[in-house]
Amino acid sequence: GDSVTQMEGPVTLSEEAFLTINCTYTATGYPSLFWYVQYPGEGLQLLLKATKADDKGSNKGFEATYRKETTSFHLEKGSVQVSDSAVYFCALSAQAGGTSYGKLTFGQGTILTVHP
Amino acid sequence: NAGVMQNPRHLVRRRGQEARLRCSPMKGHSHVYWYRQLPEEGLKFMVYLQKENIIDESGMPKERFSAEFPKEGPSILRIQQVVRGDSAAYFCASSRRQGGEQPQHFGDGTRLSIL
Repeated sequence: GDSVTQMEGPVTLSEEAFLTINCTYTATGYPSLFWYVQYPGEGLQLLLKATKADDKGSNKGFEATYRKETTSFHLEKGSVQVSDSAVYFCALSAQAGGTSYGKLTFGQGTILTVHP
Repeated sequence: NAGVMQNPRHLVRRRGQEARLRCSPMKGHSHVYWYRQLPEEGLKFMVYLQKENIIDESGMPKERFSAEFPKEGPSILRIQQVVRGDSAAYFCASSRRQGGEQPQHFGDGTRLSIL
């Protein structure tokens, strides 16, 4: 079945440091890939997405590129801020015709803490 | 535009009671998904519904759990005879159309605690 694996956390960085959170996936065909962010006590917010190979999703300084050859969708940001402290989830949604079509499969989440 | 509305935000039940969780999707959205987040874990899919139909309930426990999305009103996730292991955050998401490319919009969740 489909699965998503994220790098183990938690990740602790100083403000303005470079961020990478690794994400790899297993799925048949060409799933759509997403990064969601969850702030304490809240639901998930869509951060960015990519729907086909070599697509780059970007939002709020965050970027991730859909790499079909390495089945990866790593999240990056050049300069993190304290306000970026949250839990980040990588997720996939299977392509049409697959048994998982429509539902999201999530990684376990990575806790990011940014210190001033 | 109101987002996905879930209520209650917090729900406390004693073992053996029933829990009813409500979700109103975003305006114009007819696809609803329920996910469960156990402490310090990622979200796990439970059930996918369209108006009056359950499309995929492969993630739902076979006993005590049920879900509906009636023609009028919110989607309901019902847990009968709750046990300690049901303690979790339950999130609802909605989308305008079905499909892998469609982003799902999440509510703030219902945090269920079982005494």
